[in-house]
Amino acid sequence: EVQLLESGGGLIQTGGSLRLSCAASGLALSTNHMSWVRQAPGKGLEWVSIIYSGGNTYYVDSVKGRFTISRDNFQNTLYLQMNSLRAEDTAVYYCAVCSGWFFDFWGQGTLVTVSS
Amino acid sequence: QSVLTQPPSVSAAPGQKVTISCSGSSSNIGNNYVSWYQQLPGTAPKLLIYDNNKRPSGIPDRFSGSKSGTSATLGITGLQTGDEADYYCGTWNNSVTALFGGGTKLTV
Repeated sequence: EVQLLESGGGLIQTGGSLRLSCAASGLALSTNHMSWVRQAPGKGLEWVSIIYSGGNTYYVDSVKGRFTISRDNFQNTLYLQMNSLRAEDTAVYYCAVCSGWFFDFWGQGTLVTVSS
Repeated sequence: QSVLTQPPSVSAAPGQKVTISCSGSSSNIGNNYVSWYQQLPGTAPKLLIYDNNKRPSGIPDRFSGSKSGTSATLGITGLQTGDEADYYCGTWNNSVTALFGGGTKLTV
């Protein structure tokens, strides 16, 4: 059974940094494409980033240059390093497995609140 | 505002049928597969439909998906109160970055 467990969220000041983690079990991150998807309070889903099994990474324009997705194959953990955080980055952040052209497994999410 | 357009809300009575539309363009829906997700209140999204019209194991056949040109549709028959949720379409932009629709709140 695939399980994804996010952690690392919390309250952070504007301009600060935070690293989110997503510990995976039941699958190997090294052979799967993994994404981060966020949801601002009361709003819809927004795709944030993807790391393909081959290592290529892509980002939504609003986080380019500020966020970095990475993974540790030995720890089987996905990360999202978030720098220069803004109020509009406030959201629940989900990690998700991308099997082809869809997201079939999702974590429970971790809340990031950016406040001055 | 999302590139993929969904109606903000739809409603229907228990036992009835409802459809939710998702409109995009040739750079996203027109040249990529569409997926649909159900998000019950306070929970993570759940995959309902993938590759336009396929259902994952465990998803009842009351849920169906279709795609035509630059639009896609989710259909739900035999509505139940437990189907009350937010529904999102998803696809890819030039096959590189992912997109979600703005979401549709279903009231039964």
